[in-house]
Amino acid sequence: GQNIDQPTEMTATEGAIVQINCTYQTSGFNGLFWYQQHAGEAPTFLSYNVLDGLEEKGRFSSFLSRSKGYSYLLLKELQMKDSASYLCAVRGGNKLVFGAGTILRVKS
Amino acid sequence: EAGVAQSPRYKIIEKRQSVAFWCNPISGHATLYWYQQILGQGPKLLIQFQNNGVVDDSQLPKDRFSAERLKGVDSTLKIQPAKLEDSAVYLCASSNQGQVGETQYFGPGTRLLVL
Repeated sequence: GQNIDQPTEMTATEGAIVQINCTYQTSGFNGLFWYQQHAGEAPTFLSYNVLDGLEEKGRFSSFLSRSKGYSYLLLKELQMKDSASYLCAVRGGNKLVFGAGTILRVKS
Repeated sequence: EAGVAQSPRYKIIEKRQSVAFWCNPISGHATLYWYQQILGQGPKLLIQFQNNGVVDDSQLPKDRFSAERLKGVDSTLKIQPAKLEDSAVYLCASSNQGQVGETQYFGPGTRLLVL
């Protein structure tokens, strides 16, 4: 089976940097995805990691350590529109399993 | 490029009634997924199609849920009879070939409330 853990909620200030952690246990690891989901909307793709290291994409970066079963999503220069739920999803074998998500609240 | 389309967007029914949801994936995408997202949880895969064949339906409650993708394009998900615990958002997603590393693109979802 697969187990994915993320903090339930986080609060950060506009303009700051925030790191959202995700730990996982899975068999047959085939990659880790981060999705953003605004309230009442569909998840949208942010990043994909399959090898260890940091992937940077604008204000968003994602890191993976396969040996530790650990990933984080780093958001820089936070904006109010970044308030959303951030879902960590792990591909084990042929199936994508989502964590419960981390609700990020950005305050001014 | 048009995204994943779903209808209806909202549905309210009473328990023991039946309901059906429709999904049209991104054009050319061979793989289609139905997820159930209960409030406060991440999406849970119900069923995955590759063209018109079922790849994985291990988490589909087959006594009440059914899904089909007859022509390998659009799909319907049905619940009969509905229970209170079926209240959730039903998300449809599609990907190109279902390969490892492929991004899944989600539709806007159908919000179901069972009273």
